[in-house]
Amino acid sequence: AQKITQTQPGMFVQEKEAVTLDCTYDTSDQSYGLFWYKQPSSGEMIFLIYQGSYDEQNATEGRYSLNFQKARKSANLVISASQLGDSAMYFCAMREGRGDYKLSFGAGTTVTVRA
Amino acid sequence: DTEVTQTPKHLVMGMTNKKSLKCEQHMGHRAMYWYKQKAKKPPELMFVYSYEKLSINESVPSRFSPECPNSSLLNLHLHALQPEDSALYLCASSQRDGTVAMPQHFGDGTRLSIL
Repeated sequence: AQKITQTQPGMFVQEKEAVTLDCTYDTSDQSYGLFWYKQPSSGEMIFLIYQGSYDEQNATEGRYSLNFQKARKSANLVISASQLGDSAMYFCAMREGRGDYKLSFGAGTTVTVRA
Repeated sequence: DTEVTQTPKHLVMGMTNKKSLKCEQHMGHRAMYWYKQKAKKPPELMFVYSYEKLSINESVPSRFSPECPNSSLLNLHLHALQPEDSALYLCASSQRDGTVAMPQHFGDGTRLSIL
């Protein structure tokens, strides 16, 4: 079964606007971590933000925030004030509390920021 | 600049060649990973090293041979590759502390083309 689902293959956003990237997950573990990565066309995977399953507050890192809804098993990424440099593929990923260090990735969402 | 360094950035090789990919990190991380990524797809885990010991091999063909000479260095030896092995190869590292919270930090990747 798919552990991470990203339903938006591609999105366009106007510069300076906010964009929300959807991510739902499936796990029976109580302890898990959720991550978002950005991958520009150059190839590097850049770690953006982390949310732990026991964290009561939504994570924020600069212009990135994570809308964590545990009961709905969703961890949406919000990018505020989009910039042209935000154009990239974004992956949601989960690491479950089983100690095998595996990251389960979603299919990714391509974001294109328009001037 | 990333803290995980991969060389070379690009590699073109014939199916009978032997080559190696190199990955280096100086963050004191004790878990290191190799991923294979096809265009517009999420990374696929190949190998995990924990404390310089191979802990996960995701049923990777033997033409890929990983090596971890020390805690900072990870190699991927390539021999008799097939055209379908053409991909972006990503190295990553993370702390090993038994929690789900540690993000994996990725290098820029090596773009491999098999002729």
